Amino acid sequence: GESVGLHLPTLSVQEGDNSIINCAYSNSASDYFIWYKQESGKGPQFIIDIRSNMDKRQGQRVTVLLNKTVKHLSLQIAATQPGDSAVYFCAENRGSGGSYIPTFGRGTSLIVHP
Amino acid sequence: NAGVTQTPKFRILKIGQSMTLQCTQDMNHNYMYWYRQDPGMGLKLIYYSVGAGITDKGEVPNGYNVSRSTTEDFPLRLELAAPSQTSVYFCASSPRQGGTDTQYFGPGTRLTVL
Repeated sequence: GESVGLHLPTLSVQEGDNSIINCAYSNSASDYFIWYKQESGKGPQFIIDIRSNMDKRQGQRVTVLLNKTVKHLSLQIAATQPGDSAVYFCAENRGSGGSYIPTFGRGTSLIVHP
Repeated sequence: NAGVTQTPKFRILKIGQSMTLQCTQDMNHNYMYWYRQDPGMGLKLIYYSVGAGITDKGEVPNGYNVSRSTTEDFPLRLELAAPSQTSVYFCASSPRQGGTDTQYFGPGTRLTVL
């Protein structure tokens, strides 16, 4: 079946380093992708999104890259800070009879060491 | 705006009991969603609604029911609680404007079925 998944369940980095979180998707019909951050005990929060007609989008300290050829998505966090420690999810929107049903990957836990 | 609010925050149920998880949003969003999140896993869609009076099943609807009588409220009903329904439940809403689908999540309800 088609799914959204993450390569690495846990990523440990030092404060100040850059972090890269990866996500693979298999539905070539997906045209919209979102990254969410979930801190412990809280609901997910939107970070950044990208449409399939783009290959790169930048926000504040974050960049999302989309490689449609290999169906790969990545989230880059510059100068990682302890406050970035959280679980990061990628989500893909698929059309289904005109309604978009979002599908979330398993998530990657980012641990930032001071 | 309060955003998306959920009640209760925690609940323990006995097998076979029933309960309703409440979800309210004050952002006038048409789309609302219910997810469950099991430990170390991603979010699985239970039900969603594209507007008042319209609901549809997600990936894991068995054992749950929903209703959407108003734009603001989207309660989730568990009729006969089972241990397999032990999870954290998140409600979300989305405006779905401009071709985007950023979802705003509530803080979650942690449910334990014993």
